[in-house]
Amino acid sequence: NAGVTQTPKFQVLKTGQSMTLQCAQDMNHNSMYWYRQDPGMGLRLIYYSASEGTTDKGEVPNGYNVSRLNKREFSLRLESAAPSQTSVYFCASRLQASLYTDTQYFGPGTRLTVL
Amino acid sequence: DQQVKQNSPSLSVQEGRISILNCDYTNSMFDYFLWYKKYPAEGPTFLISISSIKDKNEDGRFTVFLNKSAKHLSLHIVPSQPGDSAVYFCAASGNSGSGNTGKLIFGQGTTLQVKP
Repeated sequence: NAGVTQTPKFQVLKTGQSMTLQCAQDMNHNSMYWYRQDPGMGLRLIYYSASEGTTDKGEVPNGYNVSRLNKREFSLRLESAAPSQTSVYFCASRLQASLYTDTQYFGPGTRLTVL
Repeated sequence: DQQVKQNSPSLSVQEGRISILNCDYTNSMFDYFLWYKKYPAEGPTFLISISSIKDKNEDGRFTVFLNKSAKHLSLHIVPSQPGDSAVYFCAASGNSGSGNTGKLIFGQGTTLQVKP
């Protein structure tokens, strides 16, 4: 099993350009998440999808859109990139085995630089 | 306002000794806590978790302690090994009840260095 995969691994954009970050999981999980990590900070939730066909905002959604294409895939789109969106982006999917066994599995990340 | 805080940016310990990483939270609605480990250029990997119905959870060399009255949790690694050198994040969620979304709030992370 590949787990959670993300493409691309690295990307450099100019201000105003758009791009889509791709994420896929092969663990048959219902919920998926997009986070960003900035230096000296923890991961912050951008958007999440509790199940196929639903999406909702997290802590820092401004400037982003998402699409839950199917159960496996959850993409993050930057419509008009800004330097403040320079960050490392992580996708995660969630295994909720029970009320008290609840784990998110992360992809390797996409390092994005906006010039 | 940061709801989950890791006040020590870094920690250095000798191989074989105990590593203690601390985490404080402010939101009393949090009832599930996790620790993640992160190596450079990789995604975080799950380490251990604890529910608020417990005050301790062990998994091999890793033990997490939860003090609900103090809103404090700690991760103990015994014995520490050089391969444990990484950034450790604590995370919290409100896990019970309907509408459980699984959203996690992360601390800033603590960089652990284990010296041979």
